[in-house]
Amino acid sequence: NAGVTQTPKFQVLKTGQSMTLQCAQDMNHNSMYWYRQDPGMGLRLIYYSASEGTTDKGEVPNGYNVSRLNKREFSLRLESAAPSQTSVYFCASSEDRIWWKTGTEAFFGQGTRLTVV
Amino acid sequence: QKEVEQDPGPLSVPEGAIVSLNCTYSNSAFQYFMWYRQYSRKGPELLMYTYSSGNKEDGRFTAQVDKSSKYISLFIRDSQPSDSATYLCAMKNFGNEKLTFGTGTRLTIIP
Repeated sequence: NAGVTQTPKFQVLKTGQSMTLQCAQDMNHNSMYWYRQDPGMGLRLIYYSASEGTTDKGEVPNGYNVSRLNKREFSLRLESAAPSQTSVYFCASSEDRIWWKTGTEAFFGQGTRLTVV
Repeated sequence: QKEVEQDPGPLSVPEGAIVSLNCTYSNSAFQYFMWYRQYSRKGPELLMYTYSSGNKEDGRFTAQVDKSSKYISLFIRDSQPSDSATYLCAMKNFGNEKLTFGTGTRLTIIP
């Protein structure tokens, strides 16, 4: 049982380049999330998908796009990378969007370390 | 001012000591409180979950929420070197998707 798998684990981009971060979960979860983690800022929600076919903006969506390809996969795309997007990106999934109310867990992947130079 | 404040540490304690980790918050609407543990180069994992005020115990871990003071704590008893990690508090109110995280406290347990 792999849980939440993110690819790649590391990436260096030049300013203006584009890339897609991939995330897949094998727990049959309905909801998936993309966070970024920066020193002194904590984890911040970029986008989320409450269920297959839906996506919504989180706290810091500017400069990103997402695609919920199917129930398993949720990708994050940077169309024109900027140095401010240097961060560690985490994908997470949960059984449903009210996991926080029921106390069930949201599971995180191991992260993608992205550097934009 | 940040909605959630957490001392980043680092905090170093000897093995076997009791560890106290804390967060304060400003949003009185927060009702759901969590502690995550994050090992180096790994994703966060849920450690404790508490709804509203009160205490919750799970093995060596105790989570406390004091809504009147807007203060939450995580206590680790009989600390072990394997407890060395960054601990993130997180909290949420009903009605939106935002889970607000603290910046994390880096803890090292010295054998």
